[in-house]
Amino acid sequence: GDSVTQMEGPVTLSEEAFLTINCTYTATGYPSLFWYVQYPGEGLQLLLKATKADDKGSNKGFEATYRKETTSFHLEKGSVQVSDSAVYFCALVAGDSNYQLIWGAGTKLIIKP
Amino acid sequence: GAGVSQSPSNKVTEKGKDVELRCDPISGHTALYWYRQSLGQGLEFLIYFQGNSAPDKSGLPSDRFSAERTGGSVSTLTIQRTQQEDSAVYLCASSLGQVRAETQYFGPGTRLLVL
Repeated sequence: GDSVTQMEGPVTLSEEAFLTINCTYTATGYPSLFWYVQYPGEGLQLLLKATKADDKGSNKGFEATYRKETTSFHLEKGSVQVSDSAVYFCALVAGDSNYQLIWGAGTKLIIKP
Repeated sequence: GAGVSQSPSNKVTEKGKDVELRCDPISGHTALYWYRQSLGQGLEFLIYFQGNSAPDKSGLPSDRFSAERTGGSVSTLTIQRTQQEDSAVYLCASSLGQVRAETQYFGPGTRLLVL
């Protein structure tokens, strides 16, 4: 079945460090890919998305590129801030679905000043 | 504008009791979704509504779970005869319901604890 695998956390970095959170997927057809973020005490919110191969999603300094050849959608940011501390979820909507989000386990990111 | 709201924010119940969880979607959103977030299972899809109809109930874990939506707006998720394994955060999301894989907007969730 369709699935998403993302790196286990927690990931701990110092402020201004470079961030990569790996995400790979298994899916039928041509999935759409998402990164959602959950800040402490808040609900899930969309961070960025990409709907076709080679698309790059970006928001708030974060980027992820839809790589069909490696079935990956890694999240990157050049210089993290303490305010980026949150749990990050990679997710997909499979090619044969219009809406059902299938989620990775989430990666907790801790940024130290 | 107002986002997705859910009530109650926290619910503690005894095993065997029934609970009702409420979701108010963003105004004008025709699509509504319920998910469950638990330590052991991560985030799981439960059910999807388009308007008042639920074309996909495939994620409901047992027949103790049911959901309805009225007036194309508010939805209620009901869990009958709660079990300890039902303890989780229940998340509601809504979207415009117009295109494939559109952005889903999430509420803050209801944290359910079954004792």
